[in-house]
Amino acid sequence: NAGVTQTPKFRILKIGQSMTLQCAQDMNHNYMYWYRQDPGMGLKLIYYSVGAGITDKGEVPNGYNVSRSTTEDFPLRLELAAPSQTSVYFCASRGTENEKLFFGSGTQLSVL
Amino acid sequence: GDSVTQMEGPVTLSEEAFLTINCTYTATGYPSLFWYVQYPGEGLQLLLKATKADDKGSNKGFEATYRKETTSFHLEKGSVQVSDSAVYFCALRDTDSWGKLQFGAGTQVVVTP
Repeated sequence: NAGVTQTPKFRILKIGQSMTLQCAQDMNHNYMYWYRQDPGMGLKLIYYSVGAGITDKGEVPNGYNVSRSTTEDFPLRLELAAPSQTSVYFCASRGTENEKLFFGSGTQLSVL
Repeated sequence: GDSVTQMEGPVTLSEEAFLTINCTYTATGYPSLFWYVQYPGEGLQLLLKATKADDKGSNKGFEATYRKETTSFHLEKGSVQVSDSAVYFCALRDTDSWGKLQFGAGTQVVVTP
């Protein structure tokens, strides 16, 4: 099993550009999450999903959108990139009965 | 809402020293508590967990006890190694049905030879 796979690993965007951060898991997990990690601030939840077709906002959703058309994939969309979105983004998933969260290796995004 | 507070870092130790990282939480119910570890350049990994009061989670020489009376879940290790250098996150699982994790700010630990 590959676990949770995130792409790309690094990306530099200009202000106003758009991009999609990809996340895929092969563990048949229903729950998936997007977090951002800022230095000294821990992880903040952006969006989460409890199954295909069901998503909801987390703590810091502004400037982002998500979709969950399949169990495996949970892409995160930035429509108009801003410097405040410079961060490391982590995707995570877990099964219904297991509390353990599996994390991807992260995407480091810089908006200049 | 639920929240987690953990001690600020960095914490710098010599090899074989005793490590304690304090973590306290605020929650309306009885959340599950976790410690995650992040090694340089990697995502977070579950280190240990406890699901109810007085439970002790342990793994790789690390321990933490769920203390309801002090709302704490302090992480300890008796003798650290250089390979324990990482960022440690305390977290709680919301008691709502979606089980979202609330993370603390993280504590960087640096172990020197």
